[in-house]
Amino acid sequence: RKEVEQDPGPFNVPEGATVAFNCTYSNSASQSFFWYRQDCRKEPKLLMSVYSSGNEDGRFTAQLNRASQYISLLIRDSKLSDSATYLCVVTRGSGGGADGLTFGKGTHLIIQP
Amino acid sequence: ETGVTQTPRHLVMGMTNKKSLKCEQHLGHNAMYWYKQSAKKPLELMFVYSLEERVENNSVPSRFSPECPNSSHLFLHLHTLQPEDSALYLCASSQDIRDGYEQYFGPGTRLTVT
Repeated sequence: RKEVEQDPGPFNVPEGATVAFNCTYSNSASQSFFWYRQDCRKEPKLLMSVYSSGNEDGRFTAQLNRASQYISLLIRDSKLSDSATYLCVVTRGSGGGADGLTFGKGTHLIIQP
Repeated sequence: ETGVTQTPRHLVMGMTNKKSLKCEQHLGHNAMYWYKQSAKKPLELMFVYSLEERVENNSVPSRFSPECPNSSHLFLHLHTLQPEDSALYLCASSQDIRDGYEQYFGPGTRLTVT
């Protein structure tokens, strides 16, 4: 099983629609979870952290299910500018020492006018 | 945005060349990282530095040599690279290496090895 698995898409969604995608992770020791956004030929940028209780930031809602080891991202009222690749990111949970991030390959989202 | 800067942005080098990538962070962070992003692959962590000390080397070939002279600067020295090393090299920084601290990325250096 891959460490972080995402549906690569592309997801083609009309403007204004709601879209959701999931990500599964294999390391049960992972402690922190993030969604990053990466535009074509640009660097990843932090979209939001994902908390156990779920969290919302404007049109974006992130959920974490530790028991099933998956994370979700919901985008409401999608805008053309939401078109990007969304990267699911987990820490490796090595416990107090060096801890890089493990990235999924990303889900490509295309918002259509 | 000037939080994390990288130079050069693009680099073409032959297999026998020696070059260096530079990263600088202006965020007052204590940890810095090098990642490699190849086409159709997830980002791969290469090196981790905390307070100028290397704390992780992810089985990276010796033709990649990192250097961290202070907590704001990170270099990646390249020599005798292979064509398969062509990729986007991203630098990132975070407040701390411990779990939970978000990482912020520079714009990357797009490297082509001919």
